[in-house]
Amino acid sequence: GAGVSQSPRYKVAKRGQDVALRCDPISGHVSLFWYQQALGQGPEFLTYFQNEAQLDKSGLPSDRFFAERPEGSVSTLKIQRTQQEDSAVYLCASSTSSSGELFFGEGSRLTVL
Amino acid sequence: QQQVKQSPQSLIVQKGGIPIINCAYENTAFDYFPWYQQFPGKGPALLIAIRPDVSEKKEGRFTISFNKSAKQFSLHIMDSQPGDSATYFCAATGKIKAAGNKLTFGGGTRVLVKP
Repeated sequence: GAGVSQSPRYKVAKRGQDVALRCDPISGHVSLFWYQQALGQGPEFLTYFQNEAQLDKSGLPSDRFFAERPEGSVSTLKIQRTQQEDSAVYLCASSTSSSGELFFGEGSRLTVL
Repeated sequence: QQQVKQSPQSLIVQKGGIPIINCAYENTAFDYFPWYQQFPGKGPALLIAIRPDVSEKKEGRFTISFNKSAKQFSLHIMDSQPGDSATYFCAATGKIKAAGNKLTFGGGTRVLVKP
């Protein structure tokens, strides 16, 4: 497709379960970002990749959060031992190396019961 | 620590009115200020952006005003339409040299334009 694709769109997890959220960026986009958006709030930065290198993970809220982009394309955000406070929409965005504009996916809505 | 403060949280206007959304920032290293529009169930999409070397930028019915000394900027939606009903986020980032400049977002303003 032409845009950033995220899956699953919706995920319900029981507290303590591990979840994996996938992001397919726009083809050729070097940079990939993950953001967390709580209900009624603005997106908050989690982590950033340039190709396969994770250059900034300062926004990851705890060591239960882990992201990877092994081949510099698809990225996965993994949350281990999910907690209720992890409930949010997780947005993925990509951009080219010459533009600052971020192109966002529709997000993965995680609900932890 | 909220680096970009946005107000109001919500706004209701009649069709044709001019919703105005205000943002203030603290980090003087910020030098690129985009506005994103988000519809329910969708990701944010870039609407318009400005750099501090200009005081105003217009794109269609959307205008950004920028006050560098006050560290404030605002979005005006001229001749607003019901289709403009969405949540608007201001954002800021450091020098726009290449990809990798993470955005700091404001808290968002939900705009409702009544027909």
